Amino acid sequence: EDQVTQSPEALRLQEGESSSLNCSYTVSGLRGLFWYRQDPGKGPEFLFTLYSAGEEKEKERLKATLTKKESFLHITAPKPEDSATYLCAVQTSGSGGSNYKLTFGKGTLLTVNP
Amino acid sequence: NAGVMQNPRHLVRRRGQEARLRCSPMKGHSHVYWYRQLPEEGLKFMVYLQKENIIDESGMPKERFSAEFPKEGPSILRIQQVVRGDSAAYFCASSPAAGINYGYTFGSGTRLTVV
Repeated sequence: EDQVTQSPEALRLQEGESSSLNCSYTVSGLRGLFWYRQDPGKGPEFLFTLYSAGEEKEKERLKATLTKKESFLHITAPKPEDSATYLCAVQTSGSGGSNYKLTFGKGTLLTVNP
Repeated sequence: NAGVMQNPRHLVRRRGQEARLRCSPMKGHSHVYWYRQLPEEGLKFMVYLQKENIIDESGMPKERFSAEFPKEGPSILRIQQVVRGDSAAYFCASSPAAGINYGYTFGSGTRLTVV
């Protein structure tokens, strides 16, 4: 069974204090790894898709990287508006996988204090 | 261009009642996916539907839960005889073609509370 584990569960940063969130996965046949942002009372909002080890994507203060076992979401000089829950999800081709189904981790709750 | 619309946003039901959750996909999207987010858990896939067809319901409990996506109107997730363990946030997503890589967009969810 595909598994996605995110750490830490919660992270509190001061504004400007850079850090990284981790997503480790155990899957059979990774098709893609996805990062989403979720604000309270809202649905997941797409950030990045990574397909192969070594790939990197950037958007404003966020940078996502992928290895064969894990992905990191690096946050550089965060601002209070970056506070949200960050979700990692995988799309797989193994048993139970498909081109339309995502397996999510539990998320990391990021709080950035001014 | 409105996004994926879900209603109601909040729903309170007594044990044993029925809950109906609605999802109107984005304009031009004919593929709908339902996920459930239990407290302290990640989102879990429930069911994938196209217009008038259930494609994959492997994540949906066999009893009390059903889903439909009629030719006209929104997709409906129906939970009969709700129990406390059904309390969760239910999200739907839609896409214009089959697959996550085709603009898979989530709605804001329905928060179901069973009392």
